[in-house]
Amino acid sequence: GNSVTQMEGPVTLSEEAFLTINCTYTATGYPSLFWYVQYPGEGLQLLLKATKADDKGSNKGFEATYRKETTSFHLEKGSVQVSDSAVYFCALSEVYGGSQGNLIFGKGTKLSVKP
Amino acid sequence: DSGVTQTPKHLITATGQRVTLRCSPRSGDLSVYWYQQSLDQGLQFLIQYYNGEERAKGNILERFSAQQFPDLHSELNLSSLELGDSALYFCASSEWGQGADEQFFGPGTRLTVL
Repeated sequence: GNSVTQMEGPVTLSEEAFLTINCTYTATGYPSLFWYVQYPGEGLQLLLKATKADDKGSNKGFEATYRKETTSFHLEKGSVQVSDSAVYFCALSEVYGGSQGNLIFGKGTKLSVKP
Repeated sequence: DSGVTQTPKHLITATGQRVTLRCSPRSGDLSVYWYQQSLDQGLQFLIQYYNGEERAKGNILERFSAQQFPDLHSELNLSSLELGDSALYFCASSEWGQGADEQFFGPGTRLTVL
């Protein structure tokens, strides 16, 4: 079955440090890939997405590239801020078939950024 | 604000009881999803509805059921509650229920079973 594996946290960084959160996936078809972010006490919100191989999603300084050859979708940001402290979830969704649209999530990575 | 509303925000109940969680999707969205977030299982997809019809089921227990009404709001019914059902339950909605759609999440209902 489909699955998502992401690096376990917590990750603690100083402000302006470089961030990488690794995410790899297993899928039978051609999924869409997502990064969702959950701030304390809130629901999830979409950070970025990519729908086909070699697509790069980007938003708020975060980037991730859909790599089919390595089945990866690593999240990166060049300079993190305290306000980026949150839990980050990598997810996939099949594009075709009966389960299309249902998100399969990784376990989440908690990021804490210190001033 | 995602536009998705969930009530109640918190629910505390006893084992064996039944509860109903309610979700109103974002205006114009036809598809509603329910997810369970717990410390041991992480975020798991439970069930999806599209325009009133059940479209897909995930890891949803037989004690749990859901429906989507003609006005597109949805309810998740949890019965014969067990301690292990304590979790955060999220509702999400998307426009067409397709794989590339962004899903908009509500703030969640925190269920505590004592």
